[in-house]
Amino acid sequence: KQEVTQIPAALSVPEGENLVLNCSFTDSAIYNLQWFRQDPGKGLTSLLLIQSSQREQTSGRLNASLDKSSGRSTLYIAASQPGDSATYLCAVITAGNMLTFGGGTRLMVKP
Amino acid sequence: GAGVSQSPSNKVTEKGKDVELRCDPISGHTALYWYRQRLGQGLEFLIYFQGNSAPDKSGLPSDRFSAERTGESVSTLTIQRTQQEDSAVYLCASSLLGRGTEAFFGQGTRLTVV
Repeated sequence: KQEVTQIPAALSVPEGENLVLNCSFTDSAIYNLQWFRQDPGKGLTSLLLIQSSQREQTSGRLNASLDKSSGRSTLYIAASQPGDSATYLCAVITAGNMLTFGGGTRLMVKP
Repeated sequence: GAGVSQSPSNKVTEKGKDVELRCDPISGHTALYWYRQRLGQGLEFLIYFQGNSAPDKSGLPSDRFSAERTGESVSTLTIQRTQQEDSAVYLCASSLLGRGTEAFFGQGTRLTVV
């Protein structure tokens, strides 16, 4: 059974810092990996989708990497801003398009 | 439509009553997912509709929960005889049916059972 773990569970940083969020998964037989953002009381917003054949994907200040063989992905946020404060979730997409989520990382960026 | 739409956005119901939650997926998306998120918790998979194939119901927590989908459009999640433990945000997502395509979520329905 696929298990997804996110470390750390919570993170508080001052504005301007570069930071890395980690996601690990137990079964490397994945199709893709998707990173989401969730603001309090809201649904999930898709940030990046990395295909299993890709090593990384970039969108603005966000860069996500994927090492499928070791079961790891990282989300790098450059020059963090208070507006980046949210919960970040990773999900692996496996056979049959099943989405399995990690528990999330709660990020607080202090002005 | 522009995105996944869920209704109602909030629902307060008395214990023991039945509730129906609705999800309108993105037009053309043949895959549709339901998740539950309790306060401060992660996402819990409930059910997955994948085109014309039989739905994956392995995440439904009890026989009080059921879901239907008409073709490739609207889905309804029904909870019978609601209990306080059913209080949560119910999230719906849709995607194209393909190898690991991007999933898009609605804003959720916040269900409170009193």
